Amino acid sequence: KQEVTQIPAALSVPEGENLVLNCSFTDSAIYNLQWFRQDPGKGLTSLLLIQSSQREQTSGRLNASLDKSSGRSTLYIAASQPGDSATYLCAVRKETSGSRLTFGEGTQLTVNP
Amino acid sequence: NAGVTQTPKFRVLKTGQSMTLLCAQDMNHEYMYWYRQDPGMGLRLIHYSVGEGTTAKGEVPDGYNVSRLKKQNFLLGLESAAPSQTSVYFCASSHLAGFEQYFGPGTRLTVT
Repeated sequence: KQEVTQIPAALSVPEGENLVLNCSFTDSAIYNLQWFRQDPGKGLTSLLLIQSSQREQTSGRLNASLDKSSGRSTLYIAASQPGDSATYLCAVRKETSGSRLTFGEGTQLTVNP
Repeated sequence: NAGVTQTPKFRVLKTGQSMTLLCAQDMNHEYMYWYRQDPGMGLRLIHYSVGEGTTAKGEVPDGYNVSRLKKQNFLLGLESAAPSQTSVYFCASSHLAGFEQYFGPGTRLTVT
């Protein structure tokens, strides 16, 4: 059974700092991996989708990397801002499950002004 | 373009009552999903649909039923609510399998 772990569970940084969020998964047979952002009391917003054949994806100040063989992904946020404060979730899609996502529990990020 | 919408946003039920949650998407997506989110458990898939008229079980389907009579709508039903079904429910949709999933704002359900 696929398990997804995100460490740390919570992270607090000063504004302007570059930071890395980690995601690990136990079964490397994945189709792709998706990073989401969730604001308190809100739904999930898709940030990046990285295919199993890709090494990284970039969107603005965000960069997601994927090392499928070691079961790891990282989300790099450059020049963090208070507006980046949210919970960040990663989810993996197993090759044989088609559309099903397995989620980690998230990292709660606080960026202090 | 509203994306994915959910109705209602909040609901309180008594044990044994029934209700239906409605999800609607205007992106012409084939796939739709229902998840529940609980502290310490993350998001878990309840049921999903790969197209109009189809449904399939996810990870935690017991106590729930679903229907997809129209492509744009996916309904989640609770026939006899239990306190264990207190949760935040999210609907999502995607163009096809393997594509990005887009989420609705959620429904917070409390069963007393």
